[in-house]
Amino acid sequence: DAGVIQSPRHEVTEMGQEVTLRCKPISGHNSLFWYRQTMMRGLELLIYFNNNVPIDDSGMPEDRFSAKMPNASFSTLKIQPSEPRDSAVYFCASSLQGQNTEAFFGQGTRLTVV
Amino acid sequence: GIQVEQSPPDLILQEGANSTLRCNFSDSVNNLQWFHQNPWGQLINLFYIPSGTKQNGRLSATTVATERYSLLYISSSQTTDSGVYFCAVISGNTPLVFGKGTRLSVIA
Repeated sequence: DAGVIQSPRHEVTEMGQEVTLRCKPISGHNSLFWYRQTMMRGLELLIYFNNNVPIDDSGMPEDRFSAKMPNASFSTLKIQPSEPRDSAVYFCASSLQGQNTEAFFGQGTRLTVV
Repeated sequence: GIQVEQSPPDLILQEGANSTLRCNFSDSVNNLQWFHQNPWGQLINLFYIPSGTKQNGRLSATTVATERYSLLYISSSQTTDSGVYFCAVISGNTPLVFGKGTRLSVIA
């Protein structure tokens, strides 16, 4: 398996623009997680899905952030409108059979909002 | 929620030296993972170790769940071991909660 695949690897956008980050989990995994990494806050969970259903989105910072998982092999994280403070590395991860198994991370998307 | 504390925050080693990184957690866990974040930012799985001891080459890890800590041992360190080492745990129904990491620099 190719692992968790994220795109794009890097994104530079202007403040106010819409940004969409994409993730393809490992085939057969039924849990998907979005994390954000910043210097100030470290790695923090934004939202996670089990069997394509959002379970906990309490980590989503505000209404500008939204995430979807239309099928078992694809998820998106959208920021609209983007702000400079959204600049961070966004990671997607997946695991098998819920949370109590090993999670694997994608290579991340480095987002810069100018 | 569960608290995860890693120590030391920073570590500088001469190539060939050994080191021990520690992860303390504030509640019982049913999953614990160690990751290495390399200088390119990639999170690499090292160990999935909710309890017991595992070894993989120069690296080994031990988790003592009853005492709420885990240790990562790096022997004969190499410059390629540089990066940030994260401990992450699952307690109850929460997804992985990460510590702040230990930044390791191995000098030739």
